[in-house]
Amino acid sequence: AQRVTQPEKLLSVFKGAPVELKCNYSYSGSPELFWYVQYSRQRLQLLLRHISRESIKGFTADLNKGETSFHLKKPFAQEEDSAMYYCALRGGSEKLVFGKGTKLTVNP
Amino acid sequence: GAGVSQSPSNKVTEKGKDVELRCDPISGHTALYWYRQSLGQGLEFLIYFQGNSAPDKSGLPSDRFSAERTGGSVSTLTIQRTQQEDSAVYLCASSLAGLNNEQFFGPGTRLTVL
Repeated sequence: AQRVTQPEKLLSVFKGAPVELKCNYSYSGSPELFWYVQYSRQRLQLLLRHISRESIKGFTADLNKGETSFHLKKPFAQEEDSAMYYCALRGGSEKLVFGKGTKLTVNP
Repeated sequence: GAGVSQSPSNKVTEKGKDVELRCDPISGHTALYWYRQSLGQGLEFLIYFQGNSAPDKSGLPSDRFSAERTGGSVSTLTIQRTQQEDSAVYLCASSLAGLNNEQFFGPGTRLTVL
């Protein structure tokens, strides 16, 4: 079975502080992992995917197959990073399996 | 070009009524997905269409839910005899064919069942 776990429903940090949103997955094959973000009153959009190995808006995420994790990190959080973040997995089919999401609040 | 559009943006209905939710995918996208976003449940996959292939209905929660895609473009999600637990935001996404293509999401339809 495919499963994505985001252990933190809420995460609050101060501007300029590092932030890490945790994501663990369960899948027997080789997964494709994604982070999606939903800003207030906006539609869900792709933030980054592990196969791209790129940094978007200062965020990075590394796939750790040993720990089955795909944590999202940013060294210096900004207020505009406040949003709902969803980790998602795609394994062997087109559909995405999402975690329940983490609401990030960056305080001034 | 326009992104994925959905209508209505909000729908309030009474328990037991049927509802239809519409999705217009991005032109040229052959793959179309429906997801449900419930409070505390995150995003759940419902159904997936790809070209002329049989849809993947594995995520539909009950036989009250059905979806069709006419002409390979517009899709309609139908919920019969709505229940209060059907209240959620229903999201549609579309993509080009192929496993490596990004899914683009619509704004969603917020369904409230009274």
